[in-house]
Amino acid sequence: QIQLRESGPGLVTPSQTLSLTCSVSGDSISNPSYYWSWIRQPAGKRLEWIGRMYASGTKYINPSLESRATLSGDTSKNEFSLRLTSVHAADTAMYYCVRGPLSTVRAPPDIWGPGMMVIVSS
Amino acid sequence: DIQMTQSPSSLSASIGDRVTITCRASLSVGGYVNWYQHQPGKAPKLLILSTSNLKSGVPFRFSGSGSGTDFSLTISSLHAEDFATYYCHQSSSPPYTFGQGTKLEIK
Repeated sequence: QIQLRESGPGLVTPSQTLSLTCSVSGDSISNPSYYWSWIRQPAGKRLEWIGRMYASGTKYINPSLESRATLSGDTSKNEFSLRLTSVHAADTAMYYCVRGPLSTVRAPPDIWGPGMMVIVSS
Repeated sequence: DIQMTQSPSSLSASIGDRVTITCRASLSVGGYVNWYQHQPGKAPKLLILSTSNLKSGVPFRFSGSGSGTDFSLTISSLHAEDFATYYCHQSSSPPYTFGQGTKLEIK
């Protein structure tokens, strides 16, 4: 059974870099049948799609975060990561890593990690 | 970006009630609207994909409908475990966007 789990620092200083990792068990991030994404939710606000990556290496980032966000994968550890530079208070949010199928056209993510709260504060 | 607007933002109902939540997209999304249930302290759970397709394992009391820019989620008879926040989501074109959520509370 596939499981995703986010990890990283729960507190980040403003202007610094946020780095989160999603550990995957029960599947491989090299599986070409799925995509791997990050989604976040600031308290009291709607969910926000951050970006998506494929086994092929192709990546798409939300244009609103394109200048600051980077996605990467480590197949040897079977994990994928989010790096967000120059963080500020508005980046305080619950961050989720998710998986979605490519077998169905435009299928939404159906497997989510439990989420990790990240606070940006000095 | 495609804006997704849900209504109502909150809803009070009783166990056994039938409730409907609506979602309007700012552009046609070709039917690629999905619905998630989010309970406190848990990850969002996919209920319905592509307007009306029930995810495996989701109770039949949940249903979805719509077309073009207007979509809805209906729960035919509320159970205690259905009280949660519901989000619509468009997977038609990136950046993929979500509605602001509808909080379903016990009356």
